[in-house]
Amino acid sequence: GQQVMQIPQYQHVQEGEDFTTYCNSSTTLSNIQWYKQRPGGHPVFLIQLVKSGEVKKQKRLTFQFGEAKKNSSLHITATQTTDVGTYFCKVGGSQGNLIFGKGTKLSVKP
Amino acid sequence: DGGITQSPKYLFRKEGQNVTLSCEQNLNHDAMYWYRQDPGQGLRLIYYSQIVNDFQKGDIAEGYSVSREKKESFPLTVTSAQKNPTAFYLCASTRDISNYGYTFGSGTRLTVV
Repeated sequence: GQQVMQIPQYQHVQEGEDFTTYCNSSTTLSNIQWYKQRPGGHPVFLIQLVKSGEVKKQKRLTFQFGEAKKNSSLHITATQTTDVGTYFCKVGGSQGNLIFGKGTKLSVKP
Repeated sequence: DGGITQSPKYLFRKEGQNVTLSCEQNLNHDAMYWYRQDPGQGLRLIYYSQIVNDFQKGDIAEGYSVSREKKESFPLTVTSAQKNPTAFYLCASTRDISNYGYTFGSGTRLTVV
């Protein structure tokens, strides 16, 4: 069946350093979504990618969909303490096969 | 403002009891979902519903039940058959699974005492 792997599981950075999390699928994806969950909070939708090679930016966040539509990345430039949380990818498919990655937990040291 | 309301925020259950978690949305979304999140884990799908009076099992439906009698409401019952119910439960909804992200409620933390 479809599998989604998100790496790394944890990332500790110094404030101001960059951060990247990757989401890799065993099958071709129709779309991919990214979410952020702050400690003690609930996931919040960030963005959806649909097209092969698509790149979208939200301020310091850059999202990319791979050319083969099997992987995606979320890159944060110059991390801030407000970026702390867990970042999840969710991959599309049929209704019963919507899958969340296990997430990358980001901690930022001031 | 539109959104999803989950209640209660914290819930304590005794062994052998059934408990019901509430999820109400005023976003006019057709699809609604229940997820379970364990510490350090991702989100696992319990049940989902695309329209009123219809719902489907997710990956970990055993020990849970749902109903969808109204578009706005999708309550989840954690039955005594669920052997390890202590977890964070999240309800979500979406207008269109292909083109829109999920909106999540703030969650219910269930603890068995």
